[in-house]
Amino acid sequence: SAVISQKPSRDICQRGTSLTIQCQVDSQVTMMFWYRQQPGQSLTLIATANQGSEATYESGFVIDKFPISRPNLTFSTLTVSNMSPEDSSIYLCSAERGAQETQYFGPGTRLLVL
Amino acid sequence: GENVEQHPSTLSVQEGDSAVIKCTYSDSASNYFPWYKQELGKRPQLIIDIRSNVGEKKDQRIAVTLNKTAKHFSLHITETQPEDSAVYFCAAMQTGSNYKLTFGKGTLLTVNP
Repeated sequence: SAVISQKPSRDICQRGTSLTIQCQVDSQVTMMFWYRQQPGQSLTLIATANQGSEATYESGFVIDKFPISRPNLTFSTLTVSNMSPEDSSIYLCSAERGAQETQYFGPGTRLLVL
Repeated sequence: GENVEQHPSTLSVQEGDSAVIKCTYSDSASNYFPWYKQELGKRPQLIIDIRSNVGEKKDQRIAVTLNKTAKHFSLHITETQPEDSAVYFCAAMQTGSNYKLTFGKGTLLTVNP
């Protein structure tokens, strides 16, 4: 399995500001994913991040609001831009090595926007 | 796109009883079906998965069955323990395509001592 860490683990932010969440994997992975999980809800995929290409966004999520970087095979960032209270949620990254197609999750970032 | 339905949304059992959670999927091209357990405040953790060339898979007290014709798969937990209490998510993926997981809405399992 892959060991995945995220920073920060939690944050409280003011509306209108932006927060960048970092995701680090302990080994090289082909694909990384960013999810949002509202309290008591399931996981909703925001985008898929592959190294060397633009992120692919799901319906309802746009690059201007959630810019993503994937500079190498072990790291990715998600920025939540111009935040509003509706962005309060848990943001999770996941990664898979491709061959096994098993996704492992980071611990999540709990975001509260005031 | 893929749609995954999961039932029940909540399940309460007595310690030692069995628990069964069922999921259906819509895309016949899906061929990989993982199950995740998420304890309160923790990350989802993979507990078992099954691929479409297999009908059943077991790992100690946990088993998953897959019926490709009916497009449904189930998680079976036997001899439940209080530490099994968590939210369980099923998911479906078409491997070799976009590798996207589509999740069910989750089942809150409570095991009463």
